Amino acid sequence: NAGVTQTPKFQVLKTGQSMTLQCAQDMNHNSMYWYRQDPGMGLRLIYYSASEGTTDKGEVPNGYNVSRLNKREFSLRLESAAPSQTSVYFCASSETLRQPQHFGDGTRLSIL
Amino acid sequence: AQSVTQLGSHVSVSEGALVLLRCNYSSSVPPYLFWYVQYPNQGLQLLLKYTSAATLVKGINGFEAEFKKSETSFHLTKPSAHMSDAAEYFCAVGSSNTGKLIFGQGTTLQVKP
Repeated sequence: NAGVTQTPKFQVLKTGQSMTLQCAQDMNHNSMYWYRQDPGMGLRLIYYSASEGTTDKGEVPNGYNVSRLNKREFSLRLESAAPSQTSVYFCASSETLRQPQHFGDGTRLSIL
Repeated sequence: AQSVTQLGSHVSVSEGALVLLRCNYSSSVPPYLFWYVQYPNQGLQLLLKYTSAATLVKGINGFEAEFKKSETSFHLTKPSAHMSDAAEYFCAVGSSNTGKLIFGQGTTLQVKP
C-alpha cells in the first residue's frame, strides 16, 4: 500500500541547475498538490491540480512549473535553481479538492 | 482571505498530562478544518477533520478537537500525553470555495518522562 511516492528523497543542486521532482499516487485520487516546508512557516502551496488536465498556482509558484502527466503523476520542475529554493518538498493527493490530503515522505532539496 | 494561527511554536508537557494545542482561524466562508501530525523525516498524517457535521471531532490516537465558531478556534486536545505523541502538529483551514488548504506554522510537542 504505497500511497504517495516521491522521488528522489534527497538531492543537492548547484545554483542554476534544473531538476524535476516526481510524485505518483496509487489511490485513484483526482487532486494533487505540491508544497514546500520551511522552518517556522508551515507548508506553503506551490501548485495544485484539481483534476487530470488542470493545474493552478498556489501561494508561492514563482520559479516552479508543474505537469500533471496523467491521473497518477504530478511533477514539479525547477528550471534554474536558486538557494532560496532550498527546502523540503511534499507532494499530496486527495479524492477531490475538499477531502483530506495524503502526503508523501518528502524530497529534501539543497541548492548551493 | 483565509489564515490560520497556531499559538505557541513549542509546547512541552509531562507524560500523562493534558495536551492542548491552540489553533485560531479566519475565513470569510464556512471553513473546513484539519489537524495533521508530522513525525521526524516523514510526511503529514491526518489526525482529524471538521466539516460542519459536529463541533466536537474525534480523531486518531486519542486526540479530539472542538470547533468554536464564536471564538474562531479549533484547539486540539488529548487527555493524557504519551511519549509517542512527540511530533510536530499542523492546523489547516480550507475554503469551501476553492478547496485549497492554508497551514499554520506548526507546533512542536515535546513529552517529558
